[in-house]
Amino acid sequence: AQSVAQPEDQVNVAEGNPLTVKCTYSVSGNPYLFWYVQYPNRGLQFLLKYITGDNLVKGSYGFEAEFNKSQTSFHLKKPSALVSDSALYFCAVRDIRNAGNNRKLIWGLGTSLAVNP
Amino acid sequence: SAVISQKPSRDICQRGTSLTIQCQVDSQVTMMFWYRQQPGQSLTLIATANQGSEATYESGFVIDKFPISRPNLTFSTLTVSNMSPEDSSIYLCSVDDRRSTDTQYFGPGTRLTVL
Repeated sequence: AQSVAQPEDQVNVAEGNPLTVKCTYSVSGNPYLFWYVQYPNRGLQFLLKYITGDNLVKGSYGFEAEFNKSQTSFHLKKPSALVSDSALYFCAVRDIRNAGNNRKLIWGLGTSLAVNP
Repeated sequence: SAVISQKPSRDICQRGTSLTIQCQVDSQVTMMFWYRQQPGQSLTLIATANQGSEATYESGFVIDKFPISRPNLTFSTLTVSNMSPEDSSIYLCSVDDRRSTDTQYFGPGTRLTVL
């Protein structure tokens, strides 16, 4: 069965420090992996994705994520956190073999990031 | 990326009534999805809507309660029928944009409160 785990409900980091939001996944085949961000009272915004190729992917707002196949992880990172990065972050996965109505994403439970000034 | 709008943005409804939520996309897309999200929590997929075919519902969701229309490649509606306070939630529309290699993009959401 496909699944996504975000082991931390909340992450606190001081402004200017590096941040990491963790995600591990389980799929039968090769994964498509995604990170989304949700600011308070807003919809979800796409941050970045891994489809194939370079394991380090760069996305919006200075975020990046590293695909690690052996550890089945796709942790989200940023070298220097901003207060404005405070939001809810979701990791999602899809097995690339899924087609048609099975193109749905499997979602993690989300991690609340608080960046303190 | 696709630009998605939803109407209404929020509503307060009485128990037993129905509300239809509209989702409009600025480009033609094959697949549209309807989600439910409690504030601060993860997303739960209600159904997948393809143009020209019946929606595919996830376990725990039925067509009588959440009828969906998909009349063309840019528009869909979700109706929440015979509402109860347990239906209070945020309802999100998303589209699978193949131009962006299978990335899903989301509308701003509809915040529903049932009294």
